[in-house]
Amino acid sequence: DQQVKQNSPSLSVQEGRISILNCDYTNSMFDYFLWYKKYPAEGPTFLISISSIKDKNEDGRFTVFLNKSAKHLSLHIVPSQPGDSAVYFCAAIPTGGGADGLTFGKGTHLIIQP
Amino acid sequence: ETGVTQTPRHLVMGMTNKKSLKCEQHLGHNAMYWYKQSAKKPLELMFVYNFKEQTENNSVPSRFSPECPNSSHLFLHLHTLQPEDSALYLCASSQADSLTWETQYFGPGTRLLVL
Repeated sequence: DQQVKQNSPSLSVQEGRISILNCDYTNSMFDYFLWYKKYPAEGPTFLISISSIKDKNEDGRFTVFLNKSAKHLSLHIVPSQPGDSAVYFCAAIPTGGGADGLTFGKGTHLIIQP
Repeated sequence: ETGVTQTPRHLVMGMTNKKSLKCEQHLGHNAMYWYKQSAKKPLELMFVYNFKEQTENNSVPSRFSPECPNSSHLFLHLHTLQPEDSALYLCASSQADSLTWETQYFGPGTRLLVL
C-alpha cells in the first residue's frame, strides 16, 4: 500500500501562472516532508522541505503547505517558469529521522507551457 | 569532483551476466542508499548503509548484492538478473543524525537494461 501518494501523474500550467502540486500520505508517523525535482537523465535534487511543526515554508518562488489533519501537503510554484518543467517527487521521513530511506510518491510531471 | 557520482550511466546486460554498479560520494556523508526507479512506480528503497553497516534491506532479491567498503563508496553487484529488473538505479547519500533532519543527495543514476 502506498504511503505517499501523488495522484496526478502530470500537470500542465501556463508560464507565469501558479503551479500547485499535491501530495497525500497515510502514515501518521511521517513528520518531515520533502520535495525533489528531477530532470530527465539526472537524479532527483532536493527542492524544499517542511517539518510537521510548521504549516508553511517558503523559499523564493517555492512554497510548501502542510495540513497535518488532512495528511496533505502541496507545493506551490509562482510564477511558473519553463525551467520548472520536470518531475516532482514528494517524500516523507518518519518521526526520529535517522538514516532510513525516504518514502517517495510516484511523482508528478509538471509541464510549463509558453 | 563534488556531489554523488555513479558509474556506469548506462548498462545493458544479459540474464547470465555479472556486473557491478558503483557510487561515490564526495560530501563527507556517513549514510548511503540504493534506490530503484521503475516506470510508473515510486522510488523504491533497496539498501541503506549507515556508518558502513547495512541497516535495512527491503526484501530485495539475492541477485542484488550491495557492498560498502567505506563511507564514500557503495557498490551494487548484479548477477542473473531478470528483464523486470530493468530500471533506473539511483544512489544517494546523507548525513545521518538522529538529532537533525536530513536530506539525501542523489547521483545521476544508472539506466539498466536486462535482455
